[in-house]
Amino acid sequence: GNSVTQMEGPVTLSEEAFLTINCTYTATGYPSLFWYVQYPGEGLQLLLKATKADDKGSNKGFEATYRKETTSFHLEKGSVQVSDSAVYFCALVPSYNQGGKLIFGQGTELSVKP
Amino acid sequence: GAGVSQTPSNKVTEKGKYVELRCDPISGHTALYWYRQSLGQGPEFLIYFQGTGAADDSGLPNDRFFAVRPEGSVSTLKIQRTERGDSAVYLCASSPTRTGLLPEQYFGPGTRLTVT
Repeated sequence: GNSVTQMEGPVTLSEEAFLTINCTYTATGYPSLFWYVQYPGEGLQLLLKATKADDKGSNKGFEATYRKETTSFHLEKGSVQVSDSAVYFCALVPSYNQGGKLIFGQGTELSVKP
Repeated sequence: GAGVSQTPSNKVTEKGKYVELRCDPISGHTALYWYRQSLGQGPEFLIYFQGTGAADDSGLPNDRFFAVRPEGSVSTLKIQRTERGDSAVYLCASSPTRTGLLPEQYFGPGTRLTVT
């Protein structure tokens, strides 16, 4: 079946530290991959996406590369800020023809301290 | 412009009661999704509408759950004979339909359902 596994949180970092949140997936076919973010008190927002192997999604200093050989889509940021504190969800859409329903990982809480 | 809205924001009900949760998608968005998020977990897909019809309801956990979208805009998720295990945040998302692209889903703030 289709599934997403993320590293467990919470992750606590100091401001300006390097961030990696690991995400691996299991899927049939060629999924599209996403990172969503949920800031405190707000709804889920799309952070970045990649739709085919070797694509790199990027936004707000965050990056993730679609690695088919390792079935991974790790989220990285070179220098985190306090405002990046949120819960991050890795997700996939199994295939374009399945209506775009998202399959999410369990989420990783990030806390950035000044 | 206005985003996806959901009402109520919080709902407390007793075990065995019936509840309705409402979703107002972004105007013009043809696709509408319902997800359920339990504490400490990622959202789980429930049902997907394309226009008025349910294109995929494979995520509905059992026949106590039902959703409608009669005019292709507002959707209502209906839960009969609620159980304590139904307690969760129910999320709605909408997206436009664009041929050849995978459109972004825009999420509402959710309805927190608590079954006592």
